[in-house]
Amino acid sequence: QVLMQESGPGLVKPSETLSLTCSFSGDSVGAYAWSWIRQPQGKGPEWIAFIFSSGTVSSNPSLKSRATLSLDTSTRQLSLRLRSVTAADTAMYFCARSEMARIGVFDVWGQGAMVTVSP
Amino acid sequence: QSVLVQPPSASGTPGQSVSISCSGSRSNIGGNTVNWYQQFPGTAPKLLIFNNNQRPSGVPDRVSGSKSGSSASLAISGLQSEDEAEYYCAAWDDSLRGPVFGGGTKVTVL
Repeated sequence: QVLMQESGPGLVKPSETLSLTCSFSGDSVGAYAWSWIRQPQGKGPEWIAFIFSSGTVSSNPSLKSRATLSLDTSTRQLSLRLRSVTAADTAMYFCARSEMARIGVFDVWGQGAMVTVSP
Repeated sequence: QSVLVQPPSASGTPGQSVSISCSGSRSNIGGNTVNWYQQFPGTAPKLLIFNNNQRPSGVPDRVSGSKSGSSASLAISGLQSEDEAEYYCAAWDDSLRGPVFGGGTKVTVL
């Protein structure tokens, strides 16, 4: 059974950088696209970005290039850095994976990490 | 404001059927397949339907999905108390070059 788990600070100050890590298990890292998705309280999820084992990243344009993703295939860790945060970035942040044949279909999710942006 | 539009709520009594609609546009549902997720409070979404009407292993066949044009529907028959949850539709969006989600429909079992 593949597991994914997010970790990182739960409180970030406005204008600073949000940093999260997702540790995952399982083989065949290259067979998947690895993603970050966020969900504000009471709202639908919002896709942030994908990263592939090649290092290629595809991001949601709404984030205006504030998101940086990295993938360490040896330690099986996925990272997200979101700079210049505001209160609008307060949300539950999930890591998730998609099979390469079904990119955008998220079949495994982490439990989520709540991040609050506040002074 | 979510890209895909869902009704905020739906309800039914045990044993009844409930249907949830999801409306999009040509750039998402109209040109791509639809997926549905189920989410309980405090947990991550779980994939319920992919490719419009395919169920992952473990999802009962009383759950079904369909798509027509730029709209899609999720149907749950033989409603059970365990079906009380939030349901989200999602689809790839060609303009965004990524997936978009609905705002969610809260299903209540009366």
